[in-house]
Amino acid sequence: EDQVTQSPEALRLQEGESSSLNCSYTVSGLRGLFWYRQDPGKGPEFLFTLYSAGEEKEKERLKATLTKKESFLHITAPKPEDSATYLCAVQAGSGGYQKVTFGTGTKLQVIP
Amino acid sequence: DVKVTQSSRYLVKRTGEKVFLECVQDMDHENMFWYRQDPGLGLRLIYFSYDVKMKEKGDIPEGYSVSREKKERFSLILESASTNQTSMYLCASTGQGSEKLFFGSGTQLSVL
Repeated sequence: EDQVTQSPEALRLQEGESSSLNCSYTVSGLRGLFWYRQDPGKGPEFLFTLYSAGEEKEKERLKATLTKKESFLHITAPKPEDSATYLCAVQAGSGGYQKVTFGTGTKLQVIP
Repeated sequence: DVKVTQSSRYLVKRTGEKVFLECVQDMDHENMFWYRQDPGLGLRLIYFSYDVKMKEKGDIPEGYSVSREKKERFSLILESASTNQTSMYLCASTGQGSEKLFFGSGTQLSVL
């Protein structure tokens, strides 16, 4: 069974204090690993897709990396507007989105 | 921008009632999905649809049904609502061959 574990569950940072969120996964035949951002009272918003170990993607203060067992979402010099829950998901095997498994998320709070 | 609109933000129903959750997307996407999101459990797929009048069961279809009579609209039906169906319900859509899921803002359903 595919599994996605995110850590920590919650993270509190001072503005400007860089850190990383972890997503470890076990899946048979990874097709893609996704990061989403979810603000309170809203649906998740797509950030990145990573397909193979060693791949990196960047967007503003966020950088996602992928190894064979885990992915990291690095946040450099975060601002209060980066506060949100960050979700990781993996797509495995054949087929479409019915094979996507989501983690439970890391709730990030950035204090001014 | 893609817009996925869910008809209700908050809904309160009684046990045994029939409940309809509506979702409309405006980007001509072929694929539509219904998830529920519960604390500590992440997003779980209820049903999905790859085409009009087509539906497939997800991981937790029991107690739910769906309808897709038009390409832009995907409805989730709770035939007889129960308290364990109290949850946040999220609709999503994506185009053919795309990995990006576009989510609606969600419907927080309380069954009393």
